[in-house]
Amino acid sequence: QKEVEQNSGPLSVPEGAIASLNCTYSDRGSQSFFWYRQYSGKSPELIMFIYSNGDKEDGRFTAQLNKASQYVSLLIRDSQPSDSATYLCAVNGRYSTLTFGKGTMLLVSP
Amino acid sequence: EAGVVQSPRYKIIEKKQPVAFWCNPISGHNTLYWYLQNLGQGPELLIRYENEEAVDDSQLPKDRFSAERLKGVDSTLKIQPAELGDSAVYLCASSAQHRGQTNTGELFFGEGSRLTVL
Repeated sequence: QKEVEQNSGPLSVPEGAIASLNCTYSDRGSQSFFWYRQYSGKSPELIMFIYSNGDKEDGRFTAQLNKASQYVSLLIRDSQPSDSATYLCAVNGRYSTLTFGKGTMLLVSP
Repeated sequence: EAGVVQSPRYKIIEKKQPVAFWCNPISGHNTLYWYLQNLGQGPELLIRYENEEAVDDSQLPKDRFSAERLKGVDSTLKIQPAELGDSAVYLCASSAQHRGQTNTGELFFGEGSRLTVL
């Protein structure tokens, strides 16, 4: 069983819509959860992290964490074509080393 | 501030040949990671260093892969001999976190080294 699961997509949304990206993880001991964005041909960059159950908002981005369900999500409001990228969910594990999911490709159409 | 620097950006080699990748982390970052990323997949950890110590190398195929981080700064990842299945992007990342420390998880990645094995 993979430790971090994501739907590979692509997830297609029109410009201005809300994009919802989901992630589940298997290690109940995980404490920190991260969303990275990776543009095609580029390296990943951190956009949000969350430690506590509930919601965390940063601009157009909201991360949601439910530890009981082992579920993390990222909402992107007012999606823009520039948001088109692959979104990687990452979870801290042994020695605080991040384990990444395979990513969900998001396509935002004008 | 300079970011994580990797070289070479691209490398094409014949199978069974050796190859080496170099990484210079962000100044002051004690933790360095080598990840492998295949097309359509997320990064997979190969090895993590804290200073000179390899604290997690459980996913490093030690029969053909080796890594070192002399003096706790630059690092080199070597593959010898390379196989067709090694074609991938090798990402180096650094952070200022320590083992067991609650962290932001902000890894700073280099541009990656794309390896093609023919």
